[in-house]
Amino acid sequence: GQNIDQPTEMTATEGAIVQINCTYQTSGFNGLFWYQQHAGEAPTFLSYNVLDGLEEKGRFSSFLSRSKGYSYLLLKELQMKDSASYLCAVMDSNYQLIWGAGTKLIIKP
Amino acid sequence: IAGITQAPTSQILAAGRRMTLRCTQDMRHNAMYWYRQDLGLGLRLIHYSNTAGTTGKGEVPDGYSVSRANTDDFPLTLASAVPSQTSVYFCASSGTGENTGELFFGEGSRLTVL
Repeated sequence: GQNIDQPTEMTATEGAIVQINCTYQTSGFNGLFWYQQHAGEAPTFLSYNVLDGLEEKGRFSSFLSRSKGYSYLLLKELQMKDSASYLCAVMDSNYQLIWGAGTKLIIKP
Repeated sequence: IAGITQAPTSQILAAGRRMTLRCTQDMRHNAMYWYRQDLGLGLRLIHYSNTAGTTGKGEVPDGYSVSRANTDDFPLTLASAVPSQTSVYFCASSGTGENTGELFFGEGSRLTVL
């Protein structure tokens, strides 16, 4: 079966750095996506990786290793507004997105 | 403002009743999706449509139906609601090209079936 694993919850301090990991086992691979979802709101797209390596976008970076079935989302200079759930999703061989359950990130002052 | 509009935003429904969740987009996206989101589970695909006039079943299609008469509208119907269909429902769309995994979501419809 297809599976996306990510931690259920993480806590970090304002101003710090946090890394949210995602491992996946899917039938085929056509890209990995990270979304941010604030409580009570819709998910919004953050990043996309299809090749191995690091993609940087401001305070957020996303890394992919296809051979290891592994990605992480790195958030730097954490702000209180970064408190949200972060969803990892993989596009399989049928171009369907398989979603992880999400990681709830709690930022403390 | 361009985007996806869902209605209603919230609804309490008696079991056995029929319910249609509406979804409209103005981005001229070909692909549209309906997901449900339940606590502790990832987004689960109910139905999708790659283009107007076509639809497909997702991971959890039972008890739901969709139609795609035109590009903009993608309603989701629960023919006879059951309590297990209590959930938050998100409609989403995506364009064509390399990054079809970049989905644009509506604000969600919170449905409670009693």
